Amino acid sequence: GESVGLHLPTLSVQEGDNSIINCAYSNSASDYFIWYKQESGKGPQFIIDIRSNMDKRQGQRVTVLLNKTVKHLSLQIAATQPGDSAVYFCAETNSGNTPLVFGKGTRLSVIA
Amino acid sequence: GEEVAQTPKHLVRGEGQKAKLYCAPIKGHSYVFWYQQVLKNEFKFLISFQNENVFDETGMPKERFSAKCLPNSPCSLEIQATKLEDSAVYFCASSRTSGRASSYNEQFFGPGTRLTVL
Repeated sequence: GESVGLHLPTLSVQEGDNSIINCAYSNSASDYFIWYKQESGKGPQFIIDIRSNMDKRQGQRVTVLLNKTVKHLSLQIAATQPGDSAVYFCAETNSGNTPLVFGKGTRLSVIA
Repeated sequence: GEEVAQTPKHLVRGEGQKAKLYCAPIKGHSYVFWYQQVLKNEFKFLISFQNENVFDETGMPKERFSAKCLPNSPCSLEIQATKLEDSAVYFCASSRTSGRASSYNEQFFGPGTRLTVL
């Protein structure tokens, strides 16, 4: 069978509740931050991004908050649905086509 | 195509055997990235290409790993003499070229190739 992530932080939420997933990034020089969703057996899927000159950005049901002072990023998912169950990764990079540096994932489990 | 394609989906090799993975980037994308994900945990950057030229190889193990992106062919990542610790899912991502150095170009990921070394 497929290996599962060991020691992944897990967040369990009731369907319809809001979810908050946190991430600490490492490089104070990073100026782009992205949240990815990874479902079992699939590649990372872009959710939302934010540039370092912003502290908040909203999408459809998702909000990303950036606190550069403490190098902290969070992803808020409103009205969490079973389809949101996945592992979520934050990633940081600089402008241009530089590689992404991923944080540790958080497994979101939605209880129906 | 409109999606990054990776083949094969699964690859099983005995320790010491060679493994070769392929990636077809999205049509029109100039950059290709390879990442390694172990145990569904963190991603490790290996190498990137701008068209057929190596753009950044800072994450590439110097021994045993090599990669190419040749014109009109899928990109490839090859591991000579695989070791048990090479077991991982290898993801390819592609991005387009931006006219502005200050803009970020989203990386689109393929479904990955799961390599199991026995």
